[in-house]
Amino acid sequence: DSGVTQTPKHLITATGQRVTLRCSPRSGDLSVYWYQQSLDQGLQFLIQYYNGEERAKGNILERFSAQQFPDLHSELNLSSLELGDSALYFCASTGTGSTEAFFGQGTRLTVV
Amino acid sequence: GQNIDQPTEMTATEGAIVQINCTYQTSGFNGLFWYQQHAGEAPTFLSYNVLDGLEEKGRFSSFLSRSKGYSYLLLKELQMKDSASYLCAVRDGNNNNDMRFGAGTRLTVKP
Repeated sequence: DSGVTQTPKHLITATGQRVTLRCSPRSGDLSVYWYQQSLDQGLQFLIQYYNGEERAKGNILERFSAQQFPDLHSELNLSSLELGDSALYFCASTGTGSTEAFFGQGTRLTVV
Repeated sequence: GQNIDQPTEMTATEGAIVQINCTYQTSGFNGLFWYQQHAGEAPTFLSYNVLDGLEEKGRFSSFLSRSKGYSYLLLKELQMKDSASYLCAVRDGNNNNDMRFGAGTRLTVKP
């Protein structure tokens, strides 16, 4: 158990819909990262938050947004969903005192 | 910013040795990490290098040269279960230890 919790584990939804993915980082970790991994592809960095503030943006579509709340959990919002958004979405957290990043088990999103 | 490059795919034979290279550019290097990821699963931590040299952990070793911006992951006595993606990641000490991942190298181990 990495200590990073992602919910839900699986999500099936229709095109055009909007979903919210949730991530609770390890206790004390201030940084949260979101990654998208499509079938047979590498991890694509989406966005990073540090202590509630957006720190870096990667290949994140305008239809996607995220935030980190005062209790440090983070949510990734995906709207106007398309078939191509079907993927595994991972969250990872790091802290100033830890060496490595810890990953959640991911949310598998299927858009039909 | 950070650029992290590693080969997209590699193939090796069971029982052999394989070396996966990673080159990086970063403004404030503060550690390099290797992760293993099996299909459909979360990446898991393998190794960490912050000083030059070789770190050995069982069948896996990781090497770092900071002056060259270069690392490799060495896998010995390959097993079929080693078929996975291997991700190189760099930590930037100038930016609150932000971590950035390479796209990963997909290793296929054949009998």
